[in-house]
Amino acid sequence: AQKITQTQPGMFVQEKEAVTLDCTYDTSDQSYGLFWYKQPSSGEMIFLIYQGSYDEQNATEGRYSLNFQKARKSANLVISASQLGDSAMYFCAIHQGGSEKLVFGKGMKLTVNP
Amino acid sequence: DAGVIQSPRHEVTEMGQEVTLRCKPISGHNSLFWYRQTMMRGLELLIYFNNNVPIDDSGMPEDRFSAKMPNASFSTLKIQPSEPRDSAVYFCASSLGHPVGQYFGPGTRLLVL
Repeated sequence: AQKITQTQPGMFVQEKEAVTLDCTYDTSDQSYGLFWYKQPSSGEMIFLIYQGSYDEQNATEGRYSLNFQKARKSANLVISASQLGDSAMYFCAIHQGGSEKLVFGKGMKLTVNP
Repeated sequence: DAGVIQSPRHEVTEMGQEVTLRCKPISGHNSLFWYRQTMMRGLELLIYFNNNVPIDDSGMPEDRFSAKMPNASFSTLKIQPSEPRDSAVYFCASSLGHPVGQYFGPGTRLLVL
């Protein structure tokens, strides 16, 4: 079975600073993908970034980058130059190659202070 | 383009009543997902369809829950009879058949009294 662990219940960061959100995963599959979603207080789930297990380069999407360390089974999200609008819950998720099923972590709350 | 549409957005009902949640996926998407989010259990997949066929319903909690997708543009999640522990936010999501680009609807907030 696949599992995602997000141990940070909450983090605070100053506006314009960078922040790293931790995610570790457990899977016995060779082919899998890792995702990060953002859930603001309004409740919608917003896809941020994806990393495939065979991707050699770390994924980047604008201010978001994924620090993928396969041997350590970690897929940390890095947000550069935090903005007040980044305050939200952040969820890490994994899917098994060949399946569309996503398994989510418990999430963590990020608060960006002015 | 319209995103995933869910209705109702909020539902308050009494224990024992039937609840039907509705979802219209993004046009052209061939996979549809129903998720439930609670404080205790987090976000969990209930069931997903591909080309209107249920592929994985292992997350459906019990026989009180049923889901259908009669056509490519409509799906329902039904709870009968509802119980207070079913109170949660229910999300519908759709995709083009690959996990990347799984777009979520705004959710239905269900409260069972």
